[in-house]
Amino acid sequence: QKEVEQNSGPLSVPEGAIASLNCTYSDRGSQSFFWYRQYSGKSPELIMFIYSNGDKEDGRFTAQLNKASQYVSLLIRDSQPSDSATYLCAVKETSYDKVIFGPGTSLSVIP
Amino acid sequence: ETGVTQSPTHLIKTRGQQVTLRCSSQSGHNTVSWYQQALGQGPQFIFQYYREEENGRGNFPPRFSGLQFPNYSSELNVNALELDDSALYLCASTLDRGRRDNEQFFGPGTRLTVL
Repeated sequence: QKEVEQNSGPLSVPEGAIASLNCTYSDRGSQSFFWYRQYSGKSPELIMFIYSNGDKEDGRFTAQLNKASQYVSLLIRDSQPSDSATYLCAVKETSYDKVIFGPGTSLSVIP
Repeated sequence: ETGVTQSPTHLIKTRGQQVTLRCSSQSGHNTVSWYQQALGQGPQFIFQYYREEENGRGNFPPRFSGLQFPNYSSELNVNALELDDSALYLCASTLDRGRRDNEQFFGPGTRLTVL
């Protein structure tokens, strides 16, 4: 059973701090990794994807991938109250587009 | 706005009934995936359709079935509804299958309640 696990929440950080979200996956054949943000009652929206080892930065967000450790993380710098949401880690096989989601980590940014 | 629409927004059914949920993908997207998201959990992959054929299936029983049409629309059908089928059902379209940078565009979801 291929699994994706995320650090349990809820996670609370003060406004302006760095939020760190972690994810591990079991399938070594996984090729692509995604971070989604989901506000309550809404559908997931893509923040970033990464498929090469190392860091990928986009504005205040940095995704980090370590395939040897089967680990992917998301850092949110200068956290804002509007970042308060559930963050979903997702892992995809390349052969077809089956995406396995983790259970999500709830983030609260306290003003 | 992702350009993916779903209908209806909300639906209430009773146990044993059948339901059809609809999704309209972005134009040109030949791949659609359906997910079930129970409250407090991540989305669970139900199945994927590529060019009108099922292209992969998650751990869901045969009473979950689907169709994809040439006009980029698709359906999820659930027979013999059970209480545990209550969830948010999401469809997601992608431009093509098999690309590692494939972004899935999610629709707003259908909230199904089974009483």
